[in-house]
Amino acid sequence: QSMLTQTPSVSGALGQRVTISCTGSSSDIGAGYVVQWYQQLPGAAPKLLIYGNDRRPSGVPDRFSGSKSGTAASLAITGVQAEDEADYYCQSFDMSLSGSVIFGGGTKLTVL
Amino acid sequence: QVQLVESGGGVVQPGRSLRLSCATSGFTFSSFGMHWVRQAPGKGLEWVAVISYDGNNKYYADSLKGRFTISRDDSKKTVYLQMNSVTAEDTAVYYCAKDREWRSYYYYRGMDVWGQGTPVIVS
Repeated sequence: QSMLTQTPSVSGALGQRVTISCTGSSSDIGAGYVVQWYQQLPGAAPKLLIYGNDRRPSGVPDRFSGSKSGTAASLAITGVQAEDEADYYCQSFDMSLSGSVIFGGGTKLTVL
Repeated sequence: QVQLVESGGGVVQPGRSLRLSCATSGFTFSSFGMHWVRQAPGKGLEWVAVISYDGNNKYYADSLKGRFTISRDDSKKTVYLQMNSVTAEDTAVYYCAKDREWRSYYYYRGMDVWGQGTPVIVS
């Protein structure tokens, strides 16, 4: 099963801006399918952070933002907080597979 | 509030079957598609299957090779995952998740509520 590509780990100092990238291909993100982002705190279930490339569900702080360009997407956290230390996953759809939802491999954010 | 509670996980021998359940509350169950997503120990998320809000459409990850079946019972507001011929590679925490969009077949546009997960250990 194909997977979106994410950098395994990223770190940032408290209050800094951090970006997490998600790279796909012409059969998924590049084909126009929307990207979602999920946050998974240690020992917890995933939580929807961004949907439709750049939309935040109610209750998600506005320091989280999403964008998409071509075959890639990004999650930005401006003013990173200690409680943001978690795993982050992007998700989209791959038209080359039989109706398959796909996830990225995940990025571990460490707050310094 | 919206709640999803998985059950049915546990230790199962290779080659045997297991059925997971996900009981829901707090939303109009019959109007939303439902997903199963799994996470092997120390690994990332892997999408398993989805069933549409009306039960007419079901899609599965290619890697499952037809061994799993998703179903739903709207009268019980519950979604199920029947797992057959399990192998060690099926060892994971299994999450059920609610599709974000009301009465939509565009099931790839996000999962907005997740259960706490149920662990399955094949050994």
